Amino acid sequence: KAGVTQTPRYLIKTRGQQVTLSCSPISGHRSVSWYQQTPGQGLQFLFEYFSETQRNKGNFPGRFSGRQFSNSRSEMNVSTLELGDSALYLCASSPFGGAGTEAFFGQGTRLTVV
Amino acid sequence: QQQVKQSPQSLIVQKGGIPIINCAYENTAFDYFPWYQQFPGKGPALLIAIRPDVSEKKEGRFTISFNKSAKQFSLHIMDSQPGDSATYFCAASNTGTASKLTFGTGTRLQVTL
Repeated sequence: KAGVTQTPRYLIKTRGQQVTLSCSPISGHRSVSWYQQTPGQGLQFLFEYFSETQRNKGNFPGRFSGRQFSNSRSEMNVSTLELGDSALYLCASSPFGGAGTEAFFGQGTRLTVV
Repeated sequence: QQQVKQSPQSLIVQKGGIPIINCAYENTAFDYFPWYQQFPGKGPALLIAIRPDVSEKKEGRFTISFNKSAKQFSLHIMDSQPGDSATYFCAASNTGTASKLTFGTGTRLQVTL
């Protein structure tokens, strides 16, 4: 069974630009969550999608948004990039409802904002 | 109230030793406590998880001890190997719908020969 796939693996963007990250969950998983990982703040929850609906949102500004498609694939968008958005963005999929149960992570997308 | 406090920040043990990583939480609504292992350049991998109705869970060389009254839980790695060198994160969540994982700050473990 294929794991969680995130693309691209690495991105370099300029301050002020926007970026879209993609996540394909494990087959059959319907819940997809996004996390930001930085050395200073650690792993922080961004949002969770289930059946194309955002079900929970973390404490991030509105520049961070996401969506989920009918095949459970998810995208995350960050607009007006800031230097502080440089981070590893991780996607996790879960088999059941609820992001907190058996979350399986992808390898992440390393975003560098210059 | 959503915090999960993890210690130590880093840990060095010899091969065969038993590193212990501790976590404490405040939110009594948390009812699911997983541990993740992360190698450089990789995403976190689920190691083992426990729910508060049991005090201990073992999977292979990994054991979680859980103390509900103290709101603390810990990870023990038996017979540690150099390949266990990684960063370990504890986490907690309320497994109702629309839940999220709240992570500890991580422990960098180094197992020496």
